Amino acid sequence: DAGVIQSPRHEVTEMGQEVTLRCKPISGHDYLFWYRQTMMRGLELLIYFNNNVPIDDSGMPEDRFSAKMPNASFSTLKIQPSEPRDSAVYFCASSSPGRGAGELFFGEGSRLTVL
Amino acid sequence: DQQVKQNSPSLSVQEGRISILNCDYTNSMFDYFLWYKKYPAEGPTFLISISSIKDKNEDGRFTVFLNKSAKHLSLHIVPSQPGDSAVYFCAAINAGNNRKLIWGLGTSLAVNP
Repeated sequence: DAGVIQSPRHEVTEMGQEVTLRCKPISGHDYLFWYRQTMMRGLELLIYFNNNVPIDDSGMPEDRFSAKMPNASFSTLKIQPSEPRDSAVYFCASSSPGRGAGELFFGEGSRLTVL
Repeated sequence: DQQVKQNSPSLSVQEGRISILNCDYTNSMFDYFLWYKKYPAEGPTFLISISSIKDKNEDGRFTVFLNKSAKHLSLHIVPSQPGDSAVYFCAAINAGNNRKLIWGLGTSLAVNP
């Protein structure tokens, strides 16, 4: 079975540019999570969706960040305009209703570098 | 304010010996605890979990112990293998409230042949 698929794997962009990260969750999973990992702060939850509806976006750093889930098989995380401090690895994860709370399946991540 | 703490950034163990990774938490509302393993350039992978109503959960070479009074949990790997070399994250959740996992910063385990 295909796991969580993220694209791009690597993105290098200049400050001020728009960045769009994409995620395809595992089919049948009803929760989707966006995380950011940095050395200083570790893994931080940015936002999560249940059945395509945003449930908690309290981790989204500021208005420059937005996330959408137009259908059960696709989500985007957008940063506009990007800043050097946004450089991090961004993970998407999904979970199944049949699994325990907190048991997530992660994608391989998108490494973002903003110059 | 870190609610989940992994105080050892790194640990080195000889192959075949026991690896013990520790985790402390501060929020008594957490009712479910998990360990994830992460290899470089990959996402974290769920390893093992424990409910707050238990004090031990075992899965093959991996055992998690929970001491609620001390707000402490540990992951034991016996015997350790070189393939276990990875970063291990402890995470906790108040499952009745939401799906928001709180993560430790991780412990990098090196198992030497």
